[in-house]
Amino acid sequence: GENVEQHPSTLSVQEGDSAVIKCTYSDSASNYFPWYKQELGKRPQLIIDIRSNVGEKKDQRIAVTLNKTAKHFSLHITETQPEDSAVYFCAASKGSYQKVTFGTGTKLQVIP
Amino acid sequence: DTEVTQTPKHLVMGMTNKKSLKCEQHMGHRAMYWYKQKAKKPPELMFVYSYEKLSINESVPSRFSPECPNSSLLNLHLHALQPEDSALYLCASSQADTYNEQFFGPGTRLTVL
Repeated sequence: GENVEQHPSTLSVQEGDSAVIKCTYSDSASNYFPWYKQELGKRPQLIIDIRSNVGEKKDQRIAVTLNKTAKHFSLHITETQPEDSAVYFCAASKGSYQKVTFGTGTKLQVIP
Repeated sequence: DTEVTQTPKHLVMGMTNKKSLKCEQHMGHRAMYWYKQKAKKPPELMFVYSYEKLSINESVPSRFSPECPNSSLLNLHLHALQPEDSALYLCASSQADTYNEQFFGPGTRLTVL
């Protein structure tokens, strides 16, 4: 089955700095890679996703890159703000109705 | 309505009790999911329903019994649970297209005594 590794497990940055979280996946058939943000006691919420036919996607301060050859994808957050503090999960899926395999999570702390 | 709702928010039950968790969505999604999430861990898939039929069961013990009575509702029936089953139970739903953007409910915090 699919295996998703995520690094780092914790990340502290100063407000205004950038944060990068990296994930690798094992199944070359995976074609959809969402990123979820989960605040303490809250539900996971999709913040950005990327499909296998796209190499990069950006939404304001958040961007995701995908390298299918290396089976590697990354989340980039620029100009971090205290409200970005949360646990971030990467995930991989082979499509609708299929299992979504989550990475182990990165706890991001943005220091004011 | 763009939300997935879950009831109850919190549930405490004994090992001999029978209880049910409920999930509802009105986004027209035809796939619904149950996840279990332990503290500081990622969500772990339990079941997937596709067009009201069970399509994936991730080898979940039979003390968890899912049910999808219609396209908007998903239940998880609980019986004879163990203390290690205490966790946050998340429901999610997604559209019937190629990709799998899942929308999560707020979860039910379950404690088994």
